[in-house]
Amino acid sequence: DIQMTQSPSTLSASVGDRVTITCRASQSISSWLAWYQQKPGKAPKLLIYKASSLESGVPSRFSGSGSGTEFTLTISSLQPDDFATYYCQQYNSYSLTFGGGTKVEIK
Amino acid sequence: QVQLQESGPGLVKPSETLSLTCAVSGYSISSGYYWGWIRQPPGKGLEWIGSIYHSGSTYYNPSLKSRVTISVDTSKNQFSLKLSSVTAADTAVYYCARDPAMSPYYFDYWGQGTLVTVSS
Repeated sequence: DIQMTQSPSTLSASVGDRVTITCRASQSISSWLAWYQQKPGKAPKLLIYKASSLESGVPSRFSGSGSGTEFTLTISSLQPDDFATYYCQQYNSYSLTFGGGTKVEIK
Repeated sequence: QVQLQESGPGLVKPSETLSLTCAVSGYSISSGYYWGWIRQPPGKGLEWIGSIYHSGSTYYNPSLKSRVTISVDTSKNQFSLKLSSVTAADTAVYYCARDPAMSPYYFDYWGQGTLVTVSS
């Protein structure tokens, strides 16, 4: 199975900050990676798919990059609505795995 | 607008079978795509359980494969999850979701989730 490792596990930031979350795969997954945002008590929300494609309706301050084994999610200017937990998820060989999550907290 | 709604018992006894159904509205399952189940233990991360194509083709998480069955009923526009021999470790919020691809990939529409507790 492919393991997904996110870092950091918790991130403290202020409104307006540029935030970067990293996701590493235990083996190459090409660009088969998605990013989700989850708020307490709610279902995850798709932000990015195929490593860098922005889902319709998602603000352009969110961007994704990377390929192979290392990926990043960047929030260019953190907004109050962005404090949440973020998960990466890989697809490879008909099996899906999620990263452990990164909680973005208010500094 | 695509909507998904999970339903099923909120409490299941250890060693019994957990059964959930996901009703889909706003999109016909027969039109295509994969449909998946994902779970999240309280305070923990997300775990993919498995996915099914409208034709019935399935893919399961290898760690759960021996206990999982996912089926689809296109006439009712719904799909279902059965997880056998449950233990307390299966206590989680269970989500159903749509995978807008021709193979298991990612999930763009999610249900609100339903908490299933395994306890005697």
